[in-house]
Amino acid sequence: GAVVSQHPSWVICKSGTSVKIECRSLDFQATTMFWYRQFPKQSLMLMATSNEGSKATYEQGVEKDKFLINHASLTLSTLTVTSAHPEDSSFYICSAPRGRTTDTQYFGPGTRLTVL
Amino acid sequence: AQTVTQSQPEMSVQEAETVTLSCTYDTSESDYYLFWYKQPPSRQMILVIRQEAYKQQNATENRFSVNFQKAAKSFSLKISDSQLGDAAMYFCAYAGSSSNTGKLIFGQGTTLQVKP
Repeated sequence: GAVVSQHPSWVICKSGTSVKIECRSLDFQATTMFWYRQFPKQSLMLMATSNEGSKATYEQGVEKDKFLINHASLTLSTLTVTSAHPEDSSFYICSAPRGRTTDTQYFGPGTRLTVL
Repeated sequence: AQTVTQSQPEMSVQEAETVTLSCTYDTSESDYYLFWYKQPPSRQMILVIRQEAYKQQNATENRFSVNFQKAAKSFSLKISDSQLGDAAMYFCAYAGSSSNTGKLIFGQGTTLQVKP
């Protein structure tokens, strides 16, 4: 199956700093990637759709200035949590469809962010 | 708006037995895809099975099969001959085809415990 990687797998940062999370499709090109947030024992909540070559589309209630998304190439999307606060601590997961946007999505292993 | 509901927060099954996880959804679209994803303690999302709404035949993948009732908007997952490695959180997910955004809408999840 297709492989999606995320880096880092976990990060601890101080309140007020910014953190960048990378999502890479390793063996396929992805014009679209998705970013999710997951709290412990809860479901995945879609934050935004990352589009290569254009602006990301954010879901209602997601602060676009807080969560900056850049789809730099056909294999890389980044999520930057700016001025992170303890309430931003969560598990962030990216996914990418291989081929059409309606194809099966492949998920990265996730990034655990802890903001002190 | 589309919604996905999993009404069983937790389920348990004896090893080698069969268990069924429930999922209902609501949509006004005629063409869509339904998925079951598994999330083990590692938190890596793994595709279990995929169903295209236009196909009447229920999808099957080895010990995993679905009961897709389009009129009732029901999409249950049956796990046969349960194994200890099946213990995980299972998510039902929906993706609309007509909107072509690829967005996945997840249910709340069901935690499956497999007893030896």
